[in-house]
Amino acid sequence: ETGVTQTPRHLVMGMTNKKSLKCEQHLGHNAMYWYKQSAKKPLELMFVYNFKEQTENNSVPSRFSPECPNSSHLFLHLHTLQPEDSALYLCASSQGSKQETQYFGPGTRLLVL
Amino acid sequence: QQQVKQSPQSLIVQKGGISIINCAYENTAFDYFPWYQQFPGKGPALLIAIRPDVSEKKEGRFTISFNKSAKQFSLHIIDSQPGDSATYFCAASNGRGSTLGRLYFGRGTQLTVWP
Repeated sequence: ETGVTQTPRHLVMGMTNKKSLKCEQHLGHNAMYWYKQSAKKPLELMFVYNFKEQTENNSVPSRFSPECPNSSHLFLHLHTLQPEDSALYLCASSQGSKQETQYFGPGTRLLVL
Repeated sequence: QQQVKQSPQSLIVQKGGISIINCAYENTAFDYFPWYQQFPGKGPALLIAIRPDVSEKKEGRFTISFNKSAKQFSLHIIDSQPGDSATYFCAASNGRGSTLGRLYFGRGTQLTVWP
């Protein structure tokens, strides 16, 4: 595997379900990010981790819970989501925490019913 | 408040033509301006980037023009090809010299190049 990988690629869940999104980067980077991409909206930064420490939480509802066990892996735990949370969730990584050249994964397309 | 404004929302260009996408920003602290290209089913990928100490940067058929005084920058694609059909995002960051810099993205431009 190369670059940034995300699983699953597609996910359908009910509002009462609990699920997790996984991201893995094979680039030796030390910063990782979660973004939300909705139709006709700018990419929204959700969380930033630098050397496994969360450095930014962009006012994300608590029903989204990130976890970064090491610099290569990032999870987004989902529970009691709302239909408006349906979107493409993108993971990215970068060499440093200055968030400049970021490398994105293919995303997880999430549908909340 | 949207930090980076991008236009047009969609663009249709004939093969061989020139595609131009424009972005504007307000925050004068921004010092890094990348463009990302996103194909369907893929994540955005860095295409080309510029810093405000130069007014133009060219890589192959892709050129960024930067106007610091107007706080505007644009992406030009010459000899546009059907394979260029994608969504293009401009972004801005004030990351230099700060660990708190973040990328602010425009809303994206969906480019379609007709053969």
